Amino acid sequence: DSGVTQTPKHLITATGQRVTLRCSPRSGDLSVYWYQQSLDQGLQFLIQYYNGEERAKGNILERFSAQQFPDLHSELNLSSLELGDSALYFCASSDRDAGLSNFGQFFGPGTRLTVL
Amino acid sequence: GENVEQHPSTLSVQEGDSAVIKCTYSDSASNYFPWYKQELGKRPQLIIDIRSNVGEKKDQRIAVTLNKTAKHFSLHITETQPEDSAVYFCAARSMEYGNKLVFGAGTILRVKS
Repeated sequence: DSGVTQTPKHLITATGQRVTLRCSPRSGDLSVYWYQQSLDQGLQFLIQYYNGEERAKGNILERFSAQQFPDLHSELNLSSLELGDSALYFCASSDRDAGLSNFGQFFGPGTRLTVL
Repeated sequence: GENVEQHPSTLSVQEGDSAVIKCTYSDSASNYFPWYKQELGKRPQLIIDIRSNVGEKKDQRIAVTLNKTAKHFSLHITETQPEDSAVYFCAARSMEYGNKLVFGAGTILRVKS
């Protein structure tokens, strides 16, 4: 158990809908990262937050957004869902930002999103 | 930006043999290279990592080597066991702002008993 929690475990919804995925980082970790894993795309970085601020962006669609709250939990919002958004969404956390000593990222159990 | 290539895509070994997975990266400034193991339906687990100021790191049956000049790093698993069967991902830390990891495409390792 990495100490990173994610809810829900599974989510089934329809095209055009909006969903929210939630992540709580390990105790003491300030950075949260979101990744998408699909069969043909591997692990793709979406976005990083550090202590409430957006830090880095990857190939995140405009239909997707995220935020990190004062208690450091994070939410990933996916809207106008398409069939191709079906994937495993992982959250990871680390205790440091770029430039400091500890870069290790620890993953949560993931949320499996199925868009029908 | 950073690009990571990983080979082979699948690897089958006999129990007790060694397994080697290789990755190359494009950004010579990258300074951190973790390896993750992912079992079916589970989270990627960090199994070992190496920083650019170190050439080799070992942890029991696993080791990672880094060649900065050639921009490649490798995972070595000795005395493989059936429970080593999983997908292994290498990654490199992108030197763009933030702490972004760029992952290789993964290697499916099968250990036959």
